Amino acid sequence: NAGVTQTPKFQVLKTGQSMTLQCAQDMNHNSMYWYRQDPGMGLRLIYYSASEGTTDKGEVPNGYNVSRLNKREFSLRLESAAPSQTSVYFCASSFSGTSGEQYFGPGTRLTVT
Amino acid sequence: DAKTTQPTSMDCAEGRAANLPCNHSTISGNEYVYWYRQIHSQGPQYIIHGLKNNETNEMASLIITEDRKSSTLILPHATLRDTAVYYCIVRPGGSQGNLIFGKGTKLSVKP
Repeated sequence: NAGVTQTPKFQVLKTGQSMTLQCAQDMNHNSMYWYRQDPGMGLRLIYYSASEGTTDKGEVPNGYNVSRLNKREFSLRLESAAPSQTSVYFCASSFSGTSGEQYFGPGTRLTVT
Repeated sequence: DAKTTQPTSMDCAEGRAANLPCNHSTISGNEYVYWYRQIHSQGPQYIIHGLKNNETNEMASLIITEDRKSSTLILPHATLRDTAVYYCIVRPGGSQGNLIFGKGTKLSVKP
C-alpha cells in the first residue's frame, strides 16, 4: 500500500497564478483532510471531507477550494495564489471523521513569489 | 479541547529508552491522548493513543496516570531515526475534524 500520496512535491507559483494540489489514499478511508504548516508552527486545518460527497471548512479556509473527487481523491485548489500561501501542505486520511488516527502524506512545498 | 504541555526539547542516548512526558491537567473524561511525531520535512506519523489504560504497540508504549492528568510516551530502544518532534494531542472521542498540534518536544537521539 502506498498510503497517502501527494503531487506535486514542490511548486513555485507567481502571485495570482492558480494550481491544484492532488491527494490520493489507498487505505479505503472515508475521511480526508488538508492541513498547512508554516515554519515553526503547528499544522492548521484548511478543509476536510468527513465522507465522500461532503466537505467542511477548517480553521483557515480563505483562498482555497476543495473537491472530493471520489472516495480515494481529495484535491485542494488555490484560485489566485498569494505570498501568504507559501507553506507546506499536508493531506491526511482517516477511517472516519471522528477518528483521531490520521495518516499523512509526504507534503507539497509551495512557494508563492 | 484540553491543552497539553510538553518540554521543548530532550536528548536521549541511542539504544536507551526515551521517555517523553506530557501534561494535560484539564483533560475531560471523554478525551483521548494521541501521540504523533514529525521527522524533519516529512508528514506527521501516528504513533499511539489511549483513554485511560496503558497501551503498547510495535512503535511505543503509552503510560497514562491514574488521574489522567499526565502521560508518558516511551520509545523502548531509541535509534537515530527516532529523532523528531513528538506531539501530544488531546481530543474528544467522537469529535469531527482536525487534530490540534502544539509545538511538541524535539527529541534528539545521540550516538
